[in-house]
Amino acid sequence: AQSVTQLGSHVSVSEGALVLLRCNYSSSVPPYLFWYVQYPNQGLQLLLKYTTGATLVKGINGFEAEFKKSETSFHLTKPSAHMSDAAEYFCAVSDSIQGAQKLVFGQGTRLTINP
Amino acid sequence: KAGVTQTPRYLIKTRGQQVTLSCSPISGHRSVSWYQQTPGQGLQFLFEYFSETQRNKGNFPGRFSGRQFSNSRSEMNVSTLELGDSALYLCASSFYGTGDMEAFFGQGTRLTVV
Repeated sequence: AQSVTQLGSHVSVSEGALVLLRCNYSSSVPPYLFWYVQYPNQGLQLLLKYTTGATLVKGINGFEAEFKKSETSFHLTKPSAHMSDAAEYFCAVSDSIQGAQKLVFGQGTRLTINP
Repeated sequence: KAGVTQTPRYLIKTRGQQVTLSCSPISGHRSVSWYQQTPGQGLQFLFEYFSETQRNKGNFPGRFSGRQFSNSRSEMNVSTLELGDSALYLCASSFYGTGDMEAFFGQGTRLTVV
């Protein structure tokens, strides 16, 4: 079964600094990988996804992630943090063995931006 | 285009009661999935429906059930509520519900069991 590990439940960076949120996955089949963001009292919004093709994926709000099969990683980065990036971020892998959509999420990383 | 709509947004119930939550997917989407979010367990998959059929089910007790109507709207029901059922329940819809498709999430229903 697929699984996701997010390293660091809390990450704090200064405004303008690099954001790096780590995600490692376990999958017995080629994975579909996603990063979602959740603001307080809101649902999840997709930042980016990897299905096939280019391993460097660009998403919304200046975020990008690189799929590294050899490292089973899908880390999320943003060159320059903004105050509005403060939120909780979830990495997810799609467990679609049965053809249905089921997302398996990591435990989440709460990102704090210091002024 | 309207997003995924979940009603109600907030709900307070007493232990032992039952509750029904509703989810209206994005127009044209045929797959609806439900997730439970708690501080301790994180986001956990409950079940997924496609064209009125449950295709996949998570590891939850039988007190948790759902259904999907012909217009793709979905409901989930929790019977004999327990304190541990307090959570944010999220619904997500996608067009075909295949693994590579983006799931669009609603804002959730926050259920508090007292």
